[in-house]
Amino acid sequence: KNEVEQSPQNLTAQEGEFITINCSYSVGISALHWLQQHPGGGIVSLFMLSSGKKKHGRLIATINIQEKHSSLHITASHPRDSAVYICAVLNMYSGGGADGLTFGKGTHLIIQP
Amino acid sequence: DVKVTQSSRYLVKRTGEKVFLECVQDMDHENMFWYRQDPGLGLRLIYFSYDVKMKEKGDIPEGYSVSREKKERFSLILESASTNQTSMYLCASIGVHQPQHFGDGTRLSIL
Repeated sequence: KNEVEQSPQNLTAQEGEFITINCSYSVGISALHWLQQHPGGGIVSLFMLSSGKKKHGRLIATINIQEKHSSLHITASHPRDSAVYICAVLNMYSGGGADGLTFGKGTHLIIQP
Repeated sequence: DVKVTQSSRYLVKRTGEKVFLECVQDMDHENMFWYRQDPGLGLRLIYFSYDVKMKEKGDIPEGYSVSREKKERFSLILESASTNQTSMYLCASIGVHQPQHFGDGTRLSIL
């Protein structure tokens, strides 16, 4: 069973700061997801990564498969980025089926104006 | 745009009742999942299904069952609801090599 660790658990920053959230896992995976959950809101999938780096707007996600580590970066942070960010890893059956995600506990991010 | 729809946003039931939570996705995804989310515990997998009529237990299947008669629909069943099943329930679907898409969640209260 994969163990997924996120850090930090809580992060408060000022508007405009560069934010980094880290995720490490214990067993090799097929893909890693970064998810965002606003207070009282549903969960949105931000990225799915299996290698390298992806960028969407002010969000950047990287993954190092050899080191079993991923980072989510937020550039020029804004109060609307305040949310819980969750890292999740996916293991796939060789036949293509998925056996579900293993989730980190989440990082609670607050961006103050 | 992928749509995962859960039948109820809020639900209140009584102890001992049989409860059905329905989830429908419109992207022809093979894999569907049911999770519950509790404060301090994060998201935990209850059951998943990787094909019609196929189901696999997740981390916390006790007290639950599932049904996948059609590809687009995955139902979670609480056979005899108990108060410790009060939680937020989230359904998700995923296609091979695609991001996972979540429903809006059902906040279930068992009285």
